[in-house]
Amino acid sequence: RKEVEQDPGPFNVPEGATVAFNCTYSNSASQSFFWYRQDCRKEPKLLMSVYSSGNEDGRFTAQLNRASQYISLLIRDSKLSDSATYLCVVNIGSNYQLIWGAGTKLIIKP
Amino acid sequence: EAGVTQFPSHSVIEKGQTVTLRCDPISGHDNLYWYRRVMGKEIKFLLHFVKESKQDESGMPNNRFLAERTGGTYSTLKVQPAELEDSGVYFCASSQLAFGELFFGEGSRLTVL
Repeated sequence: RKEVEQDPGPFNVPEGATVAFNCTYSNSASQSFFWYRQDCRKEPKLLMSVYSSGNEDGRFTAQLNRASQYISLLIRDSKLSDSATYLCVVNIGSNYQLIWGAGTKLIIKP
Repeated sequence: EAGVTQFPSHSVIEKGQTVTLRCDPISGHDNLYWYRRVMGKEIKFLLHFVKESKQDESGMPNNRFLAERTGGTYSTLKVQPAELEDSGVYFCASSQLAFGELFFGEGSRLTVL
């Protein structure tokens, strides 16, 4: 079983729709959680950290469910520019050896 | 301000050859990380420098990989001799704080034939 699992997609979504991704992690000792965004053949970029209480940044909402060991990302009013691969990332312990999911590909269609 | 820069952007070598990848972190960032993504797999941690010291190199796959960060500035990752399974994208990232936001370079794509 992978340490961080994501549905690879692709998710094909019309512009303006709401889309949600889930990610599950296997290590209950995981302490920090992040969503990164990666455009084709580019570097990953931090989209948002995920806090226990849930957090929102504009059209993006991230939530953490420690009991079920999953995190989610909700994108509202999706834009064409949201098309990318979304990577779920988990940090275990006191080092920064991030554990990465394989990513979920999102395609926003006009 | 310049971001994390990596060189070369793409390298094609034959099995058994040597390749050296270079990473220039953001100025002032003491923390430097190497990651790689092998085709079809997730990104994997390789190692973490704090200034010139290796903080954690538990992700290095084997002794064909050697990373250095002389003077605590730029870092190099040498693969010698390269094998087919080393093909992938090698990302470098830096951060100002140990658990601060990571800033990634665009990656060095390595193809071993």
